[in-house]
Amino acid sequence: AQTVTQSQPEMSVQEAETVTLSCTYDTSENNYYLFWYKQPPSRQMILVIRQEAYKQQNATENRFSVNFQKAAKSFSLKISDSQLGDTAMYFCAFCAGNNRKLIWGLGTSLAVNP
Amino acid sequence: ETGVTQTPRHLVMGMTNKKSLKCEQHLGHNAMYWYKQSAKKPLELMFVYNFKEQTENNSVPSRFSPECPNSSHLFLHLHTLQPEDSALYLCASSQSDRIPEAFFGQGTRLTVV
Repeated sequence: AQTVTQSQPEMSVQEAETVTLSCTYDTSENNYYLFWYKQPPSRQMILVIRQEAYKQQNATENRFSVNFQKAAKSFSLKISDSQLGDTAMYFCAFCAGNNRKLIWGLGTSLAVNP
Repeated sequence: ETGVTQTPRHLVMGMTNKKSLKCEQHLGHNAMYWYKQSAKKPLELMFVYNFKEQTENNSVPSRFSPECPNSSHLFLHLHTLQPEDSALYLCASSQSDRIPEAFFGQGTRLTVV
């Protein structure tokens, strides 16, 4: 079975600092996609970053970057220069092969403190 | 205007009521999804529509009835719900059901009393 595990239910960081959220997954597939979504208090799930498994280069989007370790099945999200608006739930999601269903983790609640 | 709009934002209904949730997307996508988000559980995919045809029904009870009249609109008709159906219901869309990158609405917070 394909699973996604986020081992940190809650995290906090000071404004302007860097924080890393962890995600591990389990699959026997070789081709897949990984995503980080953000859900702020407004409740809208917003795509933060995506990574294709066949790409060795880690994806980056402005202050957000990932550390994709395919052999370890690890996909962590690094947020640099944290801002108050980054306060949200962060969900890791996985999608593999012909089954295009997104498999979701339980989320990490991130609080950015002033 | 957000790409995916859901109405209402909040809904309280009795177990004998009939209500509908509405979702509209302005992104030109061909696939639309209903998800259920409950506390302490991963997001649950309920239904998938691709080009108006239902391509996925994840063993959802028949008291939830989806309708997709066109690629831009998706409804979830609710009847005789149970208190455990209280949750956040999220609508999403993507270019097709073969492309996993989804864009979400803000959800409907449903409370069944």
